[in-house]
Amino acid sequence: QKEVEQNSGPLSVPEGAIASLNCTYSDRGSQSFFWYRQYSGKSPELIMSIYSNGDKEDGRFTAQLNKASQYVSLLIRDSQPSDSATYLCARPAGGSYIPTFGRGTSLIVHP
Amino acid sequence: SAVISQKPSRDICQRGTSLTIQCQVDSQVTMMFWYRQQPGQSLTLIATANQGSEATYESGFVIDKFPISRPNLTFSTLTVSNMSPEDSSIYLCSVEATGEGYTFGSGTRLTVV
Repeated sequence: QKEVEQNSGPLSVPEGAIASLNCTYSDRGSQSFFWYRQYSGKSPELIMSIYSNGDKEDGRFTAQLNKASQYVSLLIRDSQPSDSATYLCARPAGGSYIPTFGRGTSLIVHP
Repeated sequence: SAVISQKPSRDICQRGTSLTIQCQVDSQVTMMFWYRQQPGQSLTLIATANQGSEATYESGFVIDKFPISRPNLTFSTLTVSNMSPEDSSIYLCSVEATGEGYTFGSGTRLTVV
């Protein structure tokens, strides 16, 4: 069983809208979560990390962690075509500090 | 954050041959990690390389197929041995920069024909 589950998408949103990307998990292991962005043909780059319940904001990005419901979300406000990429959710595997990755959600922001 | 130089960026290899991928980090790091990303898939950890000791391999990956070297705190290599078309993938090295999460090299796109 994977540490995190993501819908592969694609998620298509119009430019300027809020894109909401979700990641669920099913055990009480590590409560550290990471969101990575991966453009086609490129390596993943870290966008945000979140370790505690609630929201964490960084510019147009907000990460939300809900431990009771066991999900973590990434919201992208004022989506731009340049945000079109695959977004990977990651979490350390049980007993480890090394992140394991979800399959990623493809986001398409259309003008 | 740490900067990783990875090479080659891509290669096309004949089946049965081997390819060695190199990663150089601009700072000293204790652990380096090697991932594989198969087409349309997410990242799968191959092994963790610690300087001065043998690499630790994840389930499904063995040293004979993916030998790793870690001669110092800034450099590591991954060799893909006796390649088959199933090894066609992107291979990525990664390090953890303290307080900054995990950083990836630019990746090596391997095609085995």
